[in-house]
Amino acid sequence: ILLTQSPGTLSFSPGERATLSCRASQSVNSNSLAWYQQKPGQAPRLLMYGAFHRATGIPDRFSGSGSGTDFTLTISRLEPEDFAVYYCQQYDSSPQFTFGQGTKLEIK
Amino acid sequence: QVQLQESGPGLVKPSETLSLTCSVSGASITSFYWSWIRQPPGGGLEWLGHIYYNGYTNYNHSLKSRVTISVDTSKNQFSLTLTSVTAADTAVYFCARVFSVVDYPGGFDFWGHGTVVTVSS
Repeated sequence: ILLTQSPGTLSFSPGERATLSCRASQSVNSNSLAWYQQKPGQAPRLLMYGAFHRATGIPDRFSGSGSGTDFTLTISRLEPEDFAVYYCQQYDSSPQFTFGQGTKLEIK
Repeated sequence: QVQLQESGPGLVKPSETLSLTCSVSGASITSFYWSWIRQPPGGGLEWLGHIYYNGYTNYNHSLKSRVTISVDTSKNQFSLTLTSVTAADTAVYFCARVFSVVDYPGGFDFWGHGTVVTVSS
């Protein structure tokens, strides 16, 4: 299963609402759909799992939604520390994990 | 707190074998699946494979013939070997813990900091 994140870069100002898209080439088990945030020089950090569950310590301005082939990560009010690269990931019965190519959230 | 730490050579010659070890603390390696993931310079994330403590493995289909992941339960460590490396294998290599959601692999909740491996003569 291929995951497509588009666009590759999004530009927003702090305080704005950002919506990131992740589209799968086939239907995905929602239990296996996760989102990560990665900042330069750091390992990715788990944000969301099971499509819409926040990981431990993740603020509630982050939310996830979707099912089947279309999933979304929403950041309700962007904070300066939210500007980073975001990856979606899924696991299928092949069995394989795959990641999307990432969306970079940059400051406008 | 679960911590993972990668170790191994930072430079590998083309055609040789890359070997890395991940040391796990704060959790028993017998309780979860454990994975290797890499990221080339400026690129995205690529899952390489994962292992359970009993030796059960799954590998990325595109690398399956070159990748081996093994586990040493006595040391609470797991390892990666990648044979016949080329410049395309230059990347940051991460080890990570796999968590489950309703008995289904859900993703990676704890990661090492990553180790840079350069393939060059």
